[in-house]
Amino acid sequence: IAGITQAPTSQILAAGRRMTLRCTQDMRHNAMYWYRQDLGLGLRLIHYSNTAGTTGKGEVPDGYSVSRANTDDFPLTLASAVPSQTSVYFCASSDGGTGELFFGEGSRLTVL
Amino acid sequence: GQNIDQPTEMTATEGAIVQINCTYQTSGFNGLFWYQQHAGEAPTFLSYNVLDGLEEKGRFSSFLSRSKGYSYLLLKELQMKDSASYLCAVMDSNYQLIWGAGTKLIIKP
Repeated sequence: IAGITQAPTSQILAAGRRMTLRCTQDMRHNAMYWYRQDLGLGLRLIHYSNTAGTTGKGEVPDGYSVSRANTDDFPLTLASAVPSQTSVYFCASSDGGTGELFFGEGSRLTVL
Repeated sequence: GQNIDQPTEMTATEGAIVQINCTYQTSGFNGLFWYQQHAGEAPTFLSYNVLDGLEEKGRFSSFLSRSKGYSYLLLKELQMKDSASYLCAVMDSNYQLIWGAGTKLIIKP
């Protein structure tokens, strides 16, 4: 593993189903983030974690939950997917210095 | 509210120079970032400005004026591989990043 790994890269999901997007980093960064990216909109922060054991809500947290049991992993869960959650999801991490973010390759989620 | 504005799309010619502008209104300011994002890929860091002035890094330069709430990214000697979206983001007083919608840059031969 080098950097940030997200899985799955792509998924089609029926509405109402539960889905977890996985994110793992090997850079030992304290801060991790989940963003969604939709056409014509800027990246929007869903949830973040400044350090293992803590999480916080971003701009668009409704319908999503996260956990941060350790430094490396930061999964994002959709408890009951809805079509408006169709998006590309990016996980990112930061070492807290300048604030530069390192992004995973993204997970494209389609909810039907 | 907080707002980042940048043009939706720009077109330029290979070998030329292009300037992508970004204006912002945020609650506090702790730095401005530019990221590059090729289609279907993740954003990657280009530059960071926290003080007024020009930061040069190879073919790319970034300028900041905090009093005007304004930044630009200058790309010189354009190459076809520079075709991408360029994202402007500002870190606010809570150290959260506010993102613009991105500028899609199309390079023509």
